[in-house]
Amino acid sequence: DAKTTQPPSMDCAEGRAANLPCNHSTISGNEYVYWYRQIHSQGPQYIIHGLKNNETNEMASLIITEDRKSSTLILPHATLRDTAVYYCIVRVTGANSKLTFGKGITLSVRP
Amino acid sequence: GAVVSQHPSRVICKSGTSVKIECRSLDFQATTMFWYRQFPKQSLMLMATSNEGSKATYEQGVEKDKFLINHASLTLSTLTVTSAHPEDSSFYICSATGLAGGVEFFGPGTRLTVL
Repeated sequence: DAKTTQPPSMDCAEGRAANLPCNHSTISGNEYVYWYRQIHSQGPQYIIHGLKNNETNEMASLIITEDRKSSTLILPHATLRDTAVYYCIVRVTGANSKLTFGKGITLSVRP
Repeated sequence: GAVVSQHPSRVICKSGTSVKIECRSLDFQATTMFWYRQFPKQSLMLMATSNEGSKATYEQGVEKDKFLINHASLTLSTLTVTSAHPEDSSFYICSATGLAGGVEFFGPGTRLTVL
């Protein structure tokens, strides 16, 4: 079973920030938080990951709470092309370590 | 990010035939490759994990004799669906990680339709 919980869906206006929440209250100390997204009929795309510090890259920012029990993925200026299913996954780093996909959250960006 | 390709992107075959899907890591050496299956409106389900030069490890409920996986090099893994049936119709996706099991990068997927 997936170790994260996400709301089933959310929407936001184009150009605004999209804040996608994720709960992972049973996360272990050596588990990272990974975010992927899947646009319809495509393979998942890696977005960002982090252990405990906040992370930022060209796609998004990842804010992890101090207790690491939840996190938020922030898309600073959502575009229509950001409409996708976003998956929050916890995973240890190491050979053969697996990703377990839950249902994710469907983000709809409206014009 | 690293690039993973799959071929073919789409295949239609008759029931009882075998289909081979290739997964390549284009710009890195993939010590581990994964194969997933995704049915409509469902999430990705891991089928198997393969390491270069070793036998694949299959998830519970996945028939290893039906889904043959070969990971002969650090840049290529193949999945062969043997004696395909209509219930094998699905979206098959591979992924790859480099040394130390870092970020897992995914291929674009292969849509298999068995008639």
